[in-house]
Amino acid sequence: EPEVTQTPSHQVTQMGQEVILRCVPISNHLYFYWYRQILGQKVEFLVSFYNNEISEKSEIFDDQFSVERPDGSNFTLKIRSTKLEDSAMYFCASSWDRSNEKLFFGSGTQLSVL
Amino acid sequence: KQEVTQIPAALSVPEGENLVLNCSFTDSAIYNLQWFRQDPGKGLTSLLLIQSSQREQTSGRLNASLDKSSGRSTLYIAASQPGDSATYLCAVMDSSASKIIFGSGTRLSIRP
Repeated sequence: EPEVTQTPSHQVTQMGQEVILRCVPISNHLYFYWYRQILGQKVEFLVSFYNNEISEKSEIFDDQFSVERPDGSNFTLKIRSTKLEDSAMYFCASSWDRSNEKLFFGSGTQLSVL
Repeated sequence: KQEVTQIPAALSVPEGENLVLNCSFTDSAIYNLQWFRQDPGKGLTSLLLIQSSQREQTSGRLNASLDKSSGRSTLYIAASQPGDSATYLCAVMDSSASKIIFGSGTRLSIRP
Protein backbone atom coordinates (compact mmCIF):
# COMPACT_ATOMS: atom_id res chain seq x y z
CA GLU A 1 0.00 0.00 0.00
CA PRO A 2 1.34 3.49 -0.80
CA GLU A 3 2.50 5.49 2.17
CA VAL A 4 3.57 8.95 3.25
CA THR A 5 7.26 9.05 4.05
CA GLN A 6 8.84 11.46 6.53
CA THR A 7 12.51 12.15 7.18
CA PRO A 8 14.28 12.29 9.51
CA SER A 9 12.47 10.21 12.10
CA HIS A 10 14.26 12.11 14.86
CA GLN A 11 15.80 15.58 14.81
CA VAL A 12 17.67 17.21 17.65
CA THR A 13 18.53 20.89 17.35
CA GLN A 14 19.68 23.79 19.44
CA MET A 15 17.29 26.60 20.29
CA GLY A 16 17.47 29.32 17.66
CA GLN A 17 18.52 26.99 14.85
CA GLU A 18 16.53 26.39 11.69
CA VAL A 19 15.17 22.94 10.86
CA ILE A 20 13.57 21.50 7.76
CA LEU A 21 11.26 18.54 8.09
CA ARG A 22 10.74 16.58 4.92
CA CYS A 23 7.80 14.62 3.62
CA VAL A 24 7.06 12.66 0.47
CA PRO A 25 3.27 12.43 0.12
CA ILE A 26 1.53 9.67 -1.79
CA SER A 27 2.23 10.32 -5.44
CA ASN A 28 -1.22 11.10 -6.84
CA HIS A 29 -2.44 13.05 -3.82
CA LEU A 30 -3.31 16.71 -4.16
CA TYR A 31 -3.90 17.93 -0.61
CA PHE A 32 -1.10 18.16 1.93
CA TYR A 33 -1.04 18.89 5.63
CA TRP A 34 1.25 19.32 8.60
CA TYR A 35 0.10 18.47 12.12
CA ARG A 36 2.01 18.29 15.37
CA GLN A 37 1.56 16.51 18.67
CA ILE A 38 3.26 17.73 21.82
CA LEU A 39 3.84 14.85 24.21
CA GLY A 40 0.65 13.99 26.05
CA GLN A 41 -1.47 16.49 24.11
CA LYS A 42 -3.88 16.45 21.18
CA VAL A 43 -2.82 16.27 17.56
CA GLU A 44 -2.94 19.90 16.39
CA PHE A 45 -3.46 21.26 12.89
CA LEU A 46 -0.71 23.50 11.55
CA VAL A 47 -1.32 24.08 7.84
CA SER A 48 -3.03 22.75 4.74
CA PHE A 49 -1.65 23.15 1.22
CA TYR A 50 -3.21 22.74 -2.20
CA ASN A 51 -2.30 23.85 -5.69
CA ASN A 52 1.02 25.26 -4.51
CA GLU A 53 -0.45 27.55 -1.93
CA ILE A 54 -1.59 27.49 1.68
CA SER A 55 -5.32 26.76 2.04
CA GLU A 56 -5.54 27.37 5.75
CA LYS A 57 -3.17 27.81 8.67
CA SER A 58 -3.67 27.74 12.41
CA GLU A 59 -2.65 30.39 14.90
CA ILE A 60 0.33 28.20 15.73
CA PHE A 61 1.63 28.61 12.18
CA ASP A 62 3.17 32.05 12.57
CA ASP A 63 6.01 33.72 10.67
CA GLN A 64 8.44 31.25 12.19
CA PHE A 65 6.96 28.50 10.02
CA SER A 66 6.85 28.03 6.27
CA VAL A 67 5.95 25.24 3.88
CA GLU A 68 7.12 24.48 0.41
CA ARG A 69 6.59 21.95 -2.33
CA PRO A 70 9.87 22.46 -4.17
CA ASP A 71 9.31 19.74 -6.74
CA GLY A 72 6.64 17.24 -7.70
CA SER A 73 7.30 14.90 -4.80
CA ASN A 74 8.54 16.64 -1.66
CA PHE A 75 6.62 18.73 0.86
CA THR A 76 8.68 20.48 3.51
CA LEU A 77 8.06 22.30 6.77
CA LYS A 78 10.68 24.84 7.77
CA ILE A 79 10.91 26.18 11.29
CA ARG A 80 13.13 29.22 11.64
CA SER A 81 14.76 30.04 14.95
CA THR A 82 13.37 27.07 16.88
CA LYS A 83 12.09 27.46 20.42
CA LEU A 84 11.93 24.96 23.26
CA GLU A 85 8.15 24.78 22.88
CA ASP A 86 8.51 23.62 19.27
CA SER A 87 9.56 20.21 20.59
CA ALA A 88 6.90 17.81 19.34
CA MET A 89 6.13 15.02 16.91
CA TYR A 90 5.42 16.55 13.51
CA PHE A 91 3.17 14.61 11.15
CA CYS A 92 2.76 15.10 7.44
CA ALA A 93 -0.47 13.94 5.80
CA SER A 94 -1.93 13.80 2.33
CA SER A 95 -5.16 12.95 0.56
CA TRP A 96 -6.48 12.66 -2.98
CA ASP A 97 -9.68 14.51 -2.28
CA ARG A 98 -10.36 17.35 0.12
CA SER A 99 -13.33 15.92 1.97
CA ASN A 100 -14.33 12.54 0.60
CA GLU A 101 -11.23 10.43 1.15
CA LYS A 102 -9.23 9.24 4.11
CA LEU A 103 -6.24 11.21 5.24
CA PHE A 104 -2.95 9.29 5.13
CA PHE A 105 -0.35 10.17 7.74
CA GLY A 106 3.38 9.62 7.81
CA SER A 107 5.07 8.09 10.84
CA GLY A 108 6.27 11.49 12.01
CA THR A 109 9.45 13.38 12.86
CA GLN A 110 10.22 13.73 16.55
CA LEU A 111 11.76 17.17 16.96
CA SER A 112 13.67 17.93 20.14
CA VAL A 113 14.81 21.50 20.73
CA LEU A 114 17.49 21.83 23.40
CA LYS B 1 -14.79 26.97 17.35
CA GLN B 2 -15.06 23.21 16.87
CA GLU B 3 -14.16 21.12 19.90
CA VAL B 4 -13.88 17.33 19.85
CA THR B 5 -14.13 15.34 23.06
CA GLN B 6 -13.55 11.63 23.61
CA ILE B 7 -14.74 9.53 26.50
CA PRO B 8 -13.31 7.57 28.21
CA ALA B 9 -9.69 8.74 28.19
CA ALA B 10 -8.55 5.21 28.91
CA LEU B 11 -10.17 1.80 28.87
CA SER B 12 -8.94 -1.66 29.83
CA VAL B 13 -11.00 -4.73 29.02
CA PRO B 14 -10.36 -8.48 28.81
CA GLU B 15 -9.88 -10.07 25.44
CA GLY B 16 -13.05 -11.08 23.63
CA GLU B 17 -15.26 -8.29 24.94
CA ASN B 18 -17.20 -5.95 22.72
CA LEU B 19 -16.60 -2.28 23.48
CA VAL B 20 -17.72 1.20 22.54
CA LEU B 21 -15.64 4.35 22.31
CA ASN B 22 -17.40 7.70 22.31
CA CYS B 23 -16.74 10.97 20.52
CA SER B 24 -18.64 14.24 20.63
CA PHE B 25 -18.19 17.46 18.71
CA THR B 26 -19.63 20.91 19.33
CA ASP B 27 -20.37 22.14 15.79
CA SER B 28 -22.55 19.87 13.65
CA ALA B 29 -21.43 21.60 10.42
CA ILE B 30 -18.90 18.94 9.47
CA TYR B 31 -17.93 17.34 6.17
CA ASN B 32 -16.93 14.01 7.61
CA LEU B 33 -15.67 12.19 10.67
CA GLN B 34 -12.74 9.79 10.81
CA TRP B 35 -11.58 7.34 13.41
CA PHE B 36 -7.83 6.83 13.60
CA ARG B 37 -5.60 4.39 15.40
CA GLN B 38 -2.26 5.51 16.86
CA ASP B 39 0.32 3.07 18.15
CA PRO B 40 3.01 4.37 20.54
CA GLY B 41 5.63 6.43 18.71
CA LYS B 42 3.96 5.79 15.39
CA GLY B 43 1.82 7.67 12.90
CA LEU B 44 -1.93 7.68 12.60
CA THR B 45 -3.86 5.14 10.57
CA SER B 46 -7.33 6.01 9.34
CA LEU B 47 -9.72 3.19 10.23
CA LEU B 48 -13.09 4.48 9.07
CA LEU B 49 -14.41 7.62 7.41
CA ILE B 50 -18.07 8.57 7.65
CA GLN B 51 -19.40 11.26 5.38
CA SER B 52 -21.77 13.81 6.95
CA SER B 53 -24.68 12.30 4.98
CA GLN B 54 -23.98 8.78 6.27
CA ARG B 55 -25.04 7.11 9.49
CA GLU B 56 -22.42 4.39 9.81
CA GLN B 57 -19.46 2.60 8.28
CA THR B 58 -18.15 -0.88 8.91
CA SER B 59 -14.78 -2.49 8.41
CA GLY B 60 -14.26 -5.98 9.74
CA ARG B 61 -14.81 -5.96 13.49
CA LEU B 62 -15.14 -2.17 13.55
CA ASN B 63 -18.34 -0.22 13.19
CA ALA B 64 -18.56 3.54 13.44
CA SER B 65 -21.80 5.49 13.72
CA LEU B 66 -22.50 9.17 13.27
CA ASP B 67 -25.35 11.27 14.61
CA LYS B 68 -24.48 14.63 13.16
CA SER B 69 -27.41 16.53 14.59
CA SER B 70 -26.51 15.57 18.15
CA GLY B 71 -22.76 15.87 17.53
CA ARG B 72 -21.91 12.30 18.44
CA SER B 73 -20.07 9.32 17.04
CA THR B 74 -19.27 5.91 18.42
CA LEU B 75 -16.69 3.32 17.46
CA TYR B 76 -17.78 -0.22 18.22
CA ILE B 77 -15.11 -2.91 18.37
CA ALA B 78 -16.38 -6.48 18.37
CA ALA B 79 -14.57 -9.43 19.91
CA SER B 80 -11.58 -7.37 21.04
CA GLN B 81 -8.05 -8.77 20.69
CA PRO B 82 -4.74 -7.81 22.35
CA GLY B 83 -3.61 -6.43 18.97
CA ASP B 84 -6.38 -3.83 19.22
CA SER B 85 -4.47 -2.14 22.03
CA ALA B 86 -3.69 1.40 20.86
CA THR B 87 -4.96 4.95 21.15
CA TYR B 88 -8.08 5.64 19.12
CA LEU B 89 -8.60 9.17 17.87
CA CYS B 90 -11.75 10.75 16.56
CA ALA B 91 -11.39 13.65 14.10
CA VAL B 92 -13.89 15.83 12.28
CA MET B 93 -13.39 17.78 9.09
CA ASP B 94 -14.80 21.19 9.77
CA SER B 95 -16.93 23.38 7.54
CA SER B 96 -13.91 24.93 5.83
CA ALA B 97 -12.96 21.44 4.58
CA SER B 98 -9.35 22.52 4.96
CA LYS B 99 -8.47 20.71 8.16
CA ILE B 100 -9.49 17.97 10.52
CA ILE B 101 -9.73 18.56 14.26
CA PHE B 102 -8.77 15.78 16.63
CA GLY B 103 -10.07 14.65 19.96
CA SER B 104 -7.62 13.75 22.69
CA GLY B 105 -8.11 10.03 22.15
CA THR B 106 -9.04 6.94 24.10
CA ARG B 107 -6.13 4.74 25.17
CA LEU B 108 -7.38 1.17 24.84
CA SER B 109 -5.73 -1.82 26.48
CA ILE B 110 -6.97 -5.35 25.80
CA ARG B 111 -5.88 -7.84 28.46
CA PRO B 112 -5.09 -11.39 27.23
